Order: sequence, then C-alpha cells, then structure tokens
Amino acid sequence: GESVGLHLPTLSVQEGDNSIINCAYSNSASDYFIWYKQESGKGPQFIIDIRSNMDKRQGQRVTVLLNKTVKHLSLQIAATQPGDSAVYFCAENPFGGGGGNKLTFGTGTQLKVEL
Amino acid sequence: NAGVTQTPKFRVLKTGQSMTLLCAQDMNHEYMYWYRQDPGMGLRLIHYSVGEGTTAKGEVPDGYNVSRLKKQNFLLGLESAAPSQTSVYFCASSYSRATSTYTDTQYFGPGTRLTVL
Repeated sequence: GESVGLHLPTLSVQEGDNSIINCAYSNSASDYFIWYKQESGKGPQFIIDIRSNMDKRQGQRVTVLLNKTVKHLSLQIAATQPGDSAVYFCAENPFGGGGGNKLTFGTGTQLKVEL
Repeated sequence: NAGVTQTPKFRVLKTGQSMTLLCAQDMNHEYMYWYRQDPGMGLRLIHYSVGEGTTAKGEVPDGYNVSRLKKQNFLLGLESAAPSQTSVYFCASSYSRATSTYTDTQYFGPGTRLTVL
C-alpha cells in the first residue's frame, strides 16, 4: 500500500549546525505535505507545510524542500538549538484535499541536539 | 483560545471496561480526528468527522466508536477495552476544504495516555 517513510530514525547534530531530516513518499497523487514536531509527552506541533505546486518553502529557521521527481521531502533546520530536540514527522494528504483531509504519517525521526 | 483540549490526560482500565475520551476545540473547525500513537510508529487514524453529526472510519476503527453531536466536541468510546488498545490517543482538528486562506493543517491536542491491564 501507499506509505510515507523516513530514511533515518535518529539524527544527532551539534548545537549550531544545520539539520536535515528526510522523508520519502510513494503516492504520486499526494498534493499536500506537512512537517510536525513532537516533543516528549506532547502532541504533534505544526512546523511547516508545502503544496505540490511548490519546490521550496521557508519559515523561521526551517525550510521544506519537495522533489516530486523522486518523491522526496526534506526539512532543513538552520542553526539547530537544544529546543529543537524532538521527533519530527512528515505527513502527506494523498486525497488531493478531499476525503476528509486525512493524513498519512511517517514513523518519525528523532533529532538529538548535542551541546 | 485554548486550541484543542483532551480529557482525561491519563487513564488505566481493566480489560472489558468502557470509557469515553473527550476532545474539544474552540477554533470553529469543521473537521476533527482521532489518532492512536504506538511506540516506534507514526500516528494512525481511528475515526474522523467532517462536520457535526457525521463520522467516518479511518485506518484502525475496530473496537472504537465516535460521536460528533456538537461541532466543537468529538468523543471517542471504547466499549470493551483490550490490552491491544493501550496507546496514546491524540485528537486533532482542521478547517474544511483548503481555500486560498486556509490550509488542511491539523492541530493536535496534548494526548491521552491509556493503559489497559
């Protein structure tokens, strides 16, 4: 079946370095992608999203890149801080905005920021 | 503006007991969702609702029921709890169909940690 997966289950970076978290998706019909951050004991928190008609979108210290050719999504965090330590999930909407806007989530990547 | 809230935060049940989880949102969202999250896995959709009075099955609906009697509330029920339902449950809400102003972004509550013995 269709799935969204992450390449690396755990990513360790030094404080101040840039982080890159990757995600592969398999449903070419997906037109909406979201990155969520989940801190321990909390619910997922929206970080940034991107639609399939875009290749890149920037937020505050974060950038999402979408490569539709190879069905790949990445989240870049600039100047990673200890507060960025969390599990990061990518999610896709494979229903083109319909179907109740249901999302398919990846399994998550644990980002650890070392001081 | 509290966003999405969930009640209770923690609960321990014995096999066969029943309970209801309550989700409330104050953002006037049309769509609401219930997910479960198990260790090492992403969130899996249990049931969802596209508006008051409507519900639909998600990926893992067996053993759960839901109701959406009021727009701001979405209830998840377990009629006869089983150990396999030990999990963290998250509620989420979103606007309806994406427009030039709104996106499909789902906003999550803090979760309910349920243990079934």
